[in-house]
Amino acid sequence: EAQVTQNPRYLITVTGKKLTVTCSQNMNHEYMSWYRQDPGLGLRQIYYSMNVEVTDKGDVPEGYKVSRKEKRNFPLILESPSPNQTSLYFCASSPTPVPPYNEQFFGPGTRLTVL
Amino acid sequence: GQNIDQPTEMTATEGAIVQINCTYQTSGFNGLFWYQQHAGEAPTFLSYNVLDGLEEKGRFSSFLSRSKGYSYLLLKELQMKDSASYLCAADRMDSNYQLIWGAGTKLIIKP
Repeated sequence: EAQVTQNPRYLITVTGKKLTVTCSQNMNHEYMSWYRQDPGLGLRQIYYSMNVEVTDKGDVPEGYKVSRKEKRNFPLILESPSPNQTSLYFCASSPTPVPPYNEQFFGPGTRLTVL
Repeated sequence: GQNIDQPTEMTATEGAIVQINCTYQTSGFNGLFWYQQHAGEAPTFLSYNVLDGLEEKGRFSSFLSRSKGYSYLLLKELQMKDSASYLCAADRMDSNYQLIWGAGTKLIIKP
């Protein structure tokens, strides 16, 4: 089954404790992206990757890191989480980032709470 | 600036028709996406409009006017399962074709 998977789905942690949220897709997509979603705000892009070893900042990259060593995986790293990073996180992938048709496929989401 | 606006919440009756509007301003524009998102779940793709006009896909249709920076999603024969948030997102033609997302319209369907 074609899908994007994320782990963990739920995580409660404390300020300053490094964590990694994994994301994997099995569709051989070039483009992958991380978003956070907060009440009353649209999806905000954190980082994205156009292909292996190619990553770039989105709109809200502060406090996050990513890597793209393999095409299928795009982990999100919070080196020192803070309470303002409490949010719902989505990983997404797309065959290509280039228009005119670049539907994104989303993972199930990771609900992160930082105390 | 770049922004995208849609109503926060709408209510409609089962079996009826509802139109969810979206206006956008971007420095460049390729097309407009609509996604459906049930509470606590991932967004799922509904439609993508590049050309002006109406595109119909079953009970759902999406309209685009590039000159007016305006789109709408039309849902017919509403069902209870259509209760969800509907997100519009504009393809912006800057360095890497990133999307600008609206905050979503929460649609409540009443029997």
